[in-house]
Amino acid sequence: DAGVIQSPRHEVTEMGQEVTLRCKPISGHDYLFWYRQTMMRGLELLIYFNNNVPIDDSGMPEDRFSAKMPNASFSTLKIQPSEPRDSAVYFCASSFSFGVGPETQYFGPGTRLLVL
Amino acid sequence: KQEVTQIPAALSVPEGENLVLNCSFTDSAIYNLQWFRQDPGKGLTSLLLIQSSQREQTSGRLNASLDKSSGRSTLYIAASQPGDSATYLCAVRPGFGNEKLTFGTGTRLTIIP
Repeated sequence: DAGVIQSPRHEVTEMGQEVTLRCKPISGHDYLFWYRQTMMRGLELLIYFNNNVPIDDSGMPEDRFSAKMPNASFSTLKIQPSEPRDSAVYFCASSFSFGVGPETQYFGPGTRLLVL
Repeated sequence: KQEVTQIPAALSVPEGENLVLNCSFTDSAIYNLQWFRQDPGKGLTSLLLIQSSQREQTSGRLNASLDKSSGRSTLYIAASQPGDSATYLCAVRPGFGNEKLTFGTGTRLTIIP
């Protein structure tokens, strides 16, 4: 398996523009997570899905952020309108949960976003 | 609210030495704890996962221990190598059915050749 795939790897945009980040989880995984990493706040969970359904979006900073998972192999994180404080590295991760057994999250390489 | 702390924030040791990285958490009611490694400009790679009922896990030169009652975990790296240089993060999961990991701020490890 190619692992978790994220695109684009780098994004530079101007304040006010819409930004869409994309993620393809590992095939067969039933959980998908979106994280944001900054120097100031570290790694924060934004939202996660189980079987394509959003379970917890309490980490989404504000209404400018939205995430969707239309099918098991694709998810998007959208920021509209973007602001300079949204500059960060955004990671997507997926995992397979098999009952009470252990599960590990597999991370993608991240999208480095810079909002000017 | 769970808080996860990793001290020190940075550590440099000569190649070949054994070392210990520390992770502490405020709420002992956890389901499991994971150690990750992050290389510069890359995503996280899971190293070890310890269930709350376990005391330790081993993988090669890595050994992770968990003392849930005291809210502590350690990652022991034996015979360190320059390739071990990376940032190491620990993360705790609160409970079964709750996938929301809380991450520590990480320890940046540099192995000096």
